[in-house]
Amino acid sequence: DTAVSQTPKYLVTQMGNDKSIKCEQNLGHDTMYWYKQDSKKFLKIMFSYNNKELIINETVPNRFSPKSPDKAHLNLHINSLELGDSAVYFCASSLGGNTIYFGEGSWLTVV
Amino acid sequence: QQPVQSPQAVILREGEDAVINCSSSKALYSVHWYRQKHGEAPVFLMILLKGGEQKGHEKISASFNEKKQQSSLYLTASQLSYSGTYFCGTEIGGNTGKLIFGQGTTLQVKP
Repeated sequence: DTAVSQTPKYLVTQMGNDKSIKCEQNLGHDTMYWYKQDSKKFLKIMFSYNNKELIINETVPNRFSPKSPDKAHLNLHINSLELGDSAVYFCASSLGGNTIYFGEGSWLTVV
Repeated sequence: QQPVQSPQAVILREGEDAVINCSSSKALYSVHWYRQKHGEAPVFLMILLKGGEQKGHEKISASFNEKKQQSSLYLTASQLSYSGTYFCGTEIGGNTGKLIFGQGTTLQVKP
């Protein structure tokens, strides 16, 4: 069983579209994250939720909106996609702020 | 606040050793080490919390200096499977779960 799973794995879409990436963890963790990795492999935190409550919100355009319906799920919705949004988006989870386990990534390409 | 990793890239022959350094201008709460293979998620290696701590086993280990501003990852008798990009993720100020990652060190082990 995959511990942190995210869908879709690959997503190609046109500029201006709206898209969502879904994430689920079955580790019983209480904290979930979204990280973005750009083409230079720079890995940067975007958001963090603890028990459905937003606790970290980095300087991210408000076109990005995370939603956590329960502590096992954290989805990322992106409005009005831009070319610069092309990246790999990793969902991750942890128990408290301890060891962080990453999902397999969602490769987003905006054309 | 981003930690600085050195070197940026290393090429080794199987059986050789490598050291990857991670330095911060501020005292850290913790350092997390991850390895990422191409097209895959970062995989947790270890976490260091205490100044002067050394952790790991004889093949892959890490240290955290007394001032908690530098950590080193030691790869001994490298194997082909060690190839990948190594990231240190640092926490400042407490157990926030907010990891600030270094720019990564690419390690290539050749037969």
